[in-house]
Amino acid sequence: DAKTTQPPSMDCAEGRAANLPCNHSTISGNEYVYWYRQIHSQGPQYIIHGLKNNETNEMASLIITEDRKSSTLILPHATLRDTAVYYCIVRAHDSWGKLQFGAGTQVVVTP
Amino acid sequence: DAGITQSPRHKVTETGTPVTLRCHQTENHRYMYWYRQDPGHGLRLIHYSYGVKDTDKGEVSDGYSVSRSKTEDFLLTLESATSSQTSVYFCAISDGGGGTEAFFGQGTRLTVV
Repeated sequence: DAKTTQPPSMDCAEGRAANLPCNHSTISGNEYVYWYRQIHSQGPQYIIHGLKNNETNEMASLIITEDRKSSTLILPHATLRDTAVYYCIVRAHDSWGKLQFGAGTQVVVTP
Repeated sequence: DAGITQSPRHKVTETGTPVTLRCHQTENHRYMYWYRQDPGHGLRLIHYSYGVKDTDKGEVSDGYSVSRSKTEDFLLTLESATSSQTSVYFCAISDGGGGTEAFFGQGTRLTVV
C-alpha cells in the first residue's frame, strides 16, 4: 500500500473549517483514500473515503487532487468534539490484509 | 454502529499469567485485526485474520498468538503476560470489498502488574 504523510498537529478555531492535508504521492490507480479519526481513548471511527472524485457526507468532505497524489479532509464547521487524531490511509480494494496506520494528525479545536 | 464487541473491557493481571482477549462480530466480515496502542504511539498491528483459521503477523506480533475458529470470534492470547504488554488493545473488522471501511471496537485496557 502507498505511504501517506500528514502534519503531526494542527489547531483550528471552533466554528471555522478545518483543512487536513495528506500526501500520498505513490498512490496506485486502484487505491482508495480513507480517513479515520480517534477521539481520546475511543476506537478509531471511519469518516470518509474516495477513489478519484471528491466526496461529501454528513461528517466531512474529501477533496482529492486530479493527479491523486494528495488529498484534503475538510471539517466544515469544527466543534470542540472534533478534537482528535486524524488518520489518512490508502488501501486497494483487494489488499485489506495488513491494515496499518501511521502517526496521524492531532487536531485541537479551540474555543 | 457495526456489531463488534470486545471483552473484557478492562483487565488487570499479574506478570507471567496467560491472558485471552476476545473480539466478537455480528457482521460476518472476512477480516479481523488486533492492534495495540500505547502513549505516544499510533495504532500498531499485532495480528490479523483473513478467514477462519487463516491468520498472519503484524508489526508487533512477538509475545502474542491468535486464533479464529469461527467467523465471528478472533481471540488474542498473551501466553505469559509481561509489563511491556500493558496497553490498550483494539479489535477491528472489515469486509474487504472494494471501497469498504474497517470498524473498530471500543478497546480493552490491559494492565500487567
